[in-house]
Amino acid sequence: SAVISQKPSRDICQRGTSLTIQCQVDSQVTMMFWYRQQPGQSLTLIATANQGSEATYESGFVIDKFPISRPNLTFSTLTVSNMSPEDSSIYLCSVEVGLYEQYFGPGTRLTVT
Amino acid sequence: LAKTTQPISMDSYEGQEVNITCSHNNIATNDYITWYQQFPSQGPRFIIQGYKTKVTNEVASLFIPADRKSSTLSLPRVSLSDTAVYYCLVGDIGTNAGKSTFGDGTTLTVKP
Repeated sequence: SAVISQKPSRDICQRGTSLTIQCQVDSQVTMMFWYRQQPGQSLTLIATANQGSEATYESGFVIDKFPISRPNLTFSTLTVSNMSPEDSSIYLCSVEVGLYEQYFGPGTRLTVT
Repeated sequence: LAKTTQPISMDSYEGQEVNITCSHNNIATNDYITWYQQFPSQGPRFIIQGYKTKVTNEVASLFIPADRKSSTLSLPRVSLSDTAVYYCLVGDIGTNAGKSTFGDGTTLTVKP
């Protein structure tokens, strides 16, 4: 198993600004993932973050908007840049442990005004 | 990636057994089936995973027929605290788990 923490847990931001979300894992993991979950909706994968290489983004998500860092095997950040109200969502990080099993952080609830 | 179809919602009463079925007609040979549970304001939590036949753990059972085109998550004697959204995912164990697609999920409401 893995214990994941995220900071901040929630934030209210003004449009045009940027927010960096931190994800910390209690053990070393190869794969970390960032998801977005809009209110009442399912989860959508934003990108996969591997240590030592650039993140791999899913269709519809670009690095300029969601830059990701992965400086070591226990930490990653996701930045939501130049925010608009459409970016209001819950952002979750997850890690892969064992055979095809994911553990998720508690999420960061972002509101853009 | 195999697309999954689940009922949007289900209601049950405390103490009953709940069965949630997921259809995945295009499941591939290397695909595993994984179920997650999500409570409000929390990230999803791994429940159970299987490839074929039946898998049981302390939380649930997973039934997979021989053709693997569907699977059923069985929750024995549910309680109010089992009210949550349940997601069925299908994906290749040769790829990373994060590449699986979360479907719409099934909102289970357990009533007293």
